[in-house]
Amino acid sequence: DIQMTQSPSSLSASVGDRVTITCRASQGISNSLAWYQQKPGKAPKLLLYAASRLESGVPSRFSGSGSGTDYTLTISSLQPEDFATYYCQQYYSTFLTFGPGTKVDIK
Amino acid sequence: EVQLVESGGGLVQPGGSLRLSCAASGFTFSSYWMSWVRQAPGKGLEWVANIKQDGSEKYYVDSVKGRFTISRDNAKNSLYLQMNSLRAEDTAVYYCARARIAAAGYYFDYWGQGTLVTVSS
Repeated sequence: DIQMTQSPSSLSASVGDRVTITCRASQGISNSLAWYQQKPGKAPKLLLYAASRLESGVPSRFSGSGSGTDYTLTISSLQPEDFATYYCQQYYSTFLTFGPGTKVDIK
Repeated sequence: EVQLVESGGGLVQPGGSLRLSCAASGFTFSSYWMSWVRQAPGKGLEWVANIKQDGSEKYYVDSVKGRFTISRDNAKNSLYLQMNSLRAEDTAVYYCARARIAAAGYYFDYWGQGTLVTVSS
């Protein structure tokens, strides 16, 4: 199975900050990567797919990049509603795997 | 509007069984792969199982193979997860999710609100 790691596991930031989260796969996944946002007690929400494609309705302050094994999620200017946990997920393999998550909280 | 509504969760003893259901609406259910994803309390997300549109292909995470069975009824727009021989480590919120196919796999564009399964004596 493809293992996914994320860094950092948590971070504290202020409204307006630029935030970057990294996701690394144990093997190349050819941009077959999705990012989700999850708020406490709620279901995950799809943000991006194919590493950099923004899901319909998701604000443009969210962006993704990367290739091979290394990918990033960037929030250009953190908003109050962005405080949440973010997960990456690879779909290069039929046996899907998620990263362990990155919690973004208020500094 | 796409809606996925899970039901059937609850408290069950180790070794027991439970059947989860997911009622889908707002889209052509029979056109999509569907999945179950779970989240243990305070933990991350774990894909559990998925099923092809016509039910002819099913895949499971290793930890549930032989114990869980995913199925669907396209006439009823419903997805199911039969869980047998439950263990404490199966305790989690179980989400029903619609899969969007891409490359060799898929990601999830719609999720239900989840149903909590607690395995404890």
